[in-house]
Amino acid sequence: QKEVEQNSGPLSVPEGAIASLNCTYSDRVSQSFFWYRQYSGKSPELIMSIYSNGDKEDGRFTAQLNKASQYVSLLIRDSQPSDSATYLCAARNTDKLIFGTGTRLQVFP
Amino acid sequence: EAEVAQSPRYKITEKSQAVAFWCDPISGHATLYWYRQILGQGPELLVQFQDESVVDDSQLPKDRFSAERLKGVDSTLKIQPAELGDSAMYLCASSLSGRTPYGYTFGSGTRLTVV
Repeated sequence: QKEVEQNSGPLSVPEGAIASLNCTYSDRVSQSFFWYRQYSGKSPELIMSIYSNGDKEDGRFTAQLNKASQYVSLLIRDSQPSDSATYLCAARNTDKLIFGTGTRLQVFP
Repeated sequence: EAEVAQSPRYKITEKSQAVAFWCDPISGHATLYWYRQILGQGPELLVQFQDESVVDDSQLPKDRFSAERLKGVDSTLKIQPAELGDSAMYLCASSLSGRTPYGYTFGSGTRLTVV
């Protein structure tokens, strides 16, 4: 099993809907998780971090961590076409971040 | 807002030529990372520096890649000779220390195309 796994998508949602992005992880990573957004041709941008079990909200974004099931989720409420990007899940392995392959999100008007 | 600076933004090189990328981390950041991201994949760590010392270069193809951070500040990543499979985005990131619990900020990256 890879350390961090994501479905590559694309995930297509209509404007205004909730987009749900998921990530699973192995025992080889620690309990610090991060979501990055990456627009085509650009570098990744950190949008959320989560360290504790449960939910963490920041504006339209909610990160969810379930340690028992070893998954991390990112919910985007009221999705906008400008949210169309690849979303990378990352987990800390000692002193470095390990990334998943990313999920491509498409929000259509 | 402090940024990680990278140059060049784009580089096209011929197969078997040498190419170099430069990164200047956020001031005061002791840890510097070079990642490679092939199109459609996630970033993969190539090398990690703590100050001027290499902490992890287990995924660096050492027969053709080299990296240095001589004064513990800016860093250079070199490829010689370049191969077609090296076409990718090369990303630099920095953090105050490797043990920080926080995520880190990437530079704008260098898009390398080997022809």
